[in-house]
Amino acid sequence: DTAVSQTPKYLVTQMGNDKSIKCEQNLGHDTMYWYKQDSKKFLKIMFSYNNKELIINETVPNRFSPKSPDKAHLNLHINSLELGDSAVYFCASSQGESYGYTFGSGTRLTVV
Amino acid sequence: RKEVEQDPGPFNVPEGATVAFNCTYSNSASQSFFWYRQDCRKEPKLLMSVYSSGNEDGRFTAQLNRASQYISLLIRDSKLSDSATYLCVGGGADGLTFGKGTHLIIQP
Repeated sequence: DTAVSQTPKYLVTQMGNDKSIKCEQNLGHDTMYWYKQDSKKFLKIMFSYNNKELIINETVPNRFSPKSPDKAHLNLHINSLELGDSAVYFCASSQGESYGYTFGSGTRLTVV
Repeated sequence: RKEVEQDPGPFNVPEGATVAFNCTYSNSASQSFFWYRQDCRKEPKLLMSVYSSGNEDGRFTAQLNRASQYISLLIRDSKLSDSATYLCVGGGADGLTFGKGTHLIIQP
């Protein structure tokens, strides 16, 4: 049973396209996150949702729009993809900061 | 800006040796601290939480020094399978902040 699952695992697309990444967790956690890990391996938070409500929105271009239809799902839609968006995007969930996060296996996005 | 700083390495260590990493954090309001392990092209996985009293899990010992704002990880009797990147993490109300990781290579 996969705890946090993301799809797709790999995504190669052209500049200017719009794409979505989906994330689902079956851990019953209240909070879900999107992190971006760039080529320098730096893992940086993008968004956080608690029970479908946005609670963290870091300085991210508004081409990135998260959507949480329910507390088990947090999807990420990206408009007008740019070369600099190429990275690995990790979804994570948590039952509280003191418990740490459980990460999905990542989506490797390559914009060409 | 909240930062977690750690030496990126790589640390090349012979199998069986003891290795220690430190990291420092700038946000004195951070309440939770962790060490994560990330293998190449994989997701980060929680290795252990870090407490002021120190905690041990098998060959791994983690320690938090709030006064000096640093966190340490000690690995005893290192195994080849310990080769990975170790991420130092601090967190609070704004979520977890990850360091850039320390790359450890255990050599046979």
